Parts: sequence; structure tokens; C-alpha cells
Amino acid sequence: QVQLLESGGGLVKTGGSLRLACAASGFSFSDYHMSWIRQAPGKGLEWISYISTSGSPIDYVDSVKGRFTISRDNAKKSLYLQMNSLRVEDTAVYYCARTFYSHGYYLDYWGQGILVTVFS
Amino acid sequence: QLVLTQSPSASASLGASVKLTCTLSSGHSNYAIAWHQQQPTKGPRYLMKVNSDGSHSKGDGIPDRFSGSSSGTERYLTISRLQSEDEADYYCQTWVTGIHYVFGSGTKVTVL
Repeated sequence: QVQLLESGGGLVKTGGSLRLACAASGFSFSDYHMSWIRQAPGKGLEWISYISTSGSPIDYVDSVKGRFTISRDNAKKSLYLQMNSLRVEDTAVYYCARTFYSHGYYLDYWGQGILVTVFS
Repeated sequence: QLVLTQSPSASASLGASVKLTCTLSSGHSNYAIAWHQQQPTKGPRYLMKVNSDGSHSKGDGIPDRFSGSSSGTERYLTISRLQSEDEADYYCQTWVTGIHYVFGSGTKVTVL
């Protein structure tokens, strides 16, 4: 069965860095686009980044452009999110999700999420 | 700008039905949306994609109690025979050109 497992979260001071990883199993990882979505405490879902099957194109929400970098290693069936210059407002649970295309892009499998806490 | 609007909350009795609405902003009546369920302390789970013509395709293992429909700019999720585990937040989601995903603000369903 499809599984997505995030890791790498934790507590970090403002201005610091973290690298999240998402290990995929149960499907042909290289055939699917992938995304990162986050959820601040008590808030809704916010898409933050997308990467295509080959690694290009890539896109980000404006609030993380220039600070976050998405990447993937198809051989390792893994998705990554390098987060630099972290801010208090980046505090959230981060989810990786598989994307499928059907006259539009939709998210059909999600990980269980990993908490990132940024303190000042 | 594409916006998805959801009511903050909905409730119904155990065994009854509830219908959730996701409204697309004006001019976007041809967009499909996806529904996602988020039970307390869990990650979201994809339920189904609902097209503008009302057809829908469900995710793996989603019970028949969940169904989708559409009318104009409104996309619906109906949960029949409500069970206690259906108590959750429900989000609608679509995308816009440029690979930007858009989420509604979510509807919290309470089972009475």
C-alpha cells in the first residue's frame, strides 16, 4: 500500500535551518509529482511547494520563495524540503503528499506529518 | 483569483446524513475539486474528486457512504449513515495554472 513517511522535524531558532525528508513506498515514486503542504497550529492547510516527476518544474508559495528548496531523489524514493532562514510563522505540521493529474492536479495520498517549531 | 469557500461547521446525528458545500469563486464553475478528511490528530486523507458535471471518483477504500455532487459553482460532499469516526475536518482543494494548489478553510463536522 502507498505510504509516505516524513522525518527531520523538530525545534529550531529563528534564522536556523532544517531539512525534511519524505520516504515513499508502495508505488512507483518516479511516476508521480509530489508536494509539501503545511498546517499551522489550529489552522487550515496551506500548499507550499510542488515538484514534477523529473525535478522540473518546481514551484513555491510566495511566502517561502528564496528560503525553501524542494528536491527529490527518485532512486531513493525520497522527497526533501530544505528550509532556511526559518521564521516563527513557519511553525507548522508539514505533510508530503502525492499528486495525480486528472484535468488538474490533486493530492491523493498524504503522510502523517512532521512538526516543525521555530522559536525566537 | 480562485477562492474556495466552506462553512466553518456542520453537525448531524449519528446515523443521519450531512451535506457539505465548497463554493468556487465566480467565473470558476468549470473547476473540479477534491475533498479531504482530517480526523483529529491525523494527517489528511483523500476522499474523492468531484467534477463540474457532478461525476466523482473516490480514493482507495473510501466507503460508499461518501458521495459527491455538483451544481454551478458549488461542489458537495454528502456523508450518509454518519458514524462517530466521521467526526473530522473536511477540506476542499483545487488548483490553478502555475501549479498552485488552493484549499478551502475547512468544515468541522460534529456527530451528535
